[in-house]
Amino acid sequence: NAGVTQTPKFQVLKTGQSMTLQCAQDMNHNSMYWYRQDPGMGLRLIYYSASEGTTDKGEVPNGYNVSRLNKREFSLRLESAAPSQTSVYFCASSFIWQVGNEQYFGPGTRLTVT
Amino acid sequence: AQKVTQAQTEISVVEKEDVTLDCVYETRDTTYYLFWYKQPPSGELVFLIRRNSFDEQNEISGRYSWNFQKSTSSFNFTITASQVVDSAVYFCALQTSGSRLTFGEGTQLTVNP
Repeated sequence: NAGVTQTPKFQVLKTGQSMTLQCAQDMNHNSMYWYRQDPGMGLRLIYYSASEGTTDKGEVPNGYNVSRLNKREFSLRLESAAPSQTSVYFCASSFIWQVGNEQYFGPGTRLTVT
Repeated sequence: AQKVTQAQTEISVVEKEDVTLDCVYETRDTTYYLFWYKQPPSGELVFLIRRNSFDEQNEISGRYSWNFQKSTSSFNFTITASQVVDSAVYFCALQTSGSRLTFGEGTQLTVNP
């Protein structure tokens, strides 16, 4: 039982390059999330998908796009990377979109943009 | 708007000391949940506890205990007889509408041998 998996674990990009972060969960969860973690700022929500077929902006969506490919997979795309997007990115999932539901987190992707 | 404040950026203690991590939250919602997560040096986020706004009972789990006080909007976390393995960043988080979480800035706890 892998839980939430993320690829890649590490990535270095040059300014202006694009890339997609992949996330998959095998817990049959309906809701999925992307967060970024910056020093001293905790985790901030970028985008979320309350259920398959829906996506919504979180607190810091600028510069990102997402795709809920199917129930298991939720990808995050950086179209033109900027140094300000250097961060650790976490994907998470929860059973349903309802208050009280625990979120399960992936191991994170450490992204550096030079 | 929702907000979580963890005023202690870093705490350093010696092994076997007790330590309390503070968490203060703001929300106008009457139904909400509070969470604590641990992030060890390996980087993953580990769920520790969930508490809903209607349950103010304190909880104890081994060396861990949590004190929830609605009157002061606080949900503090105490580690008794700390150990080196407790060294980590600890996050408090608030959940109101749906399942989205609002995290505090985190407290880096270092337990020295």
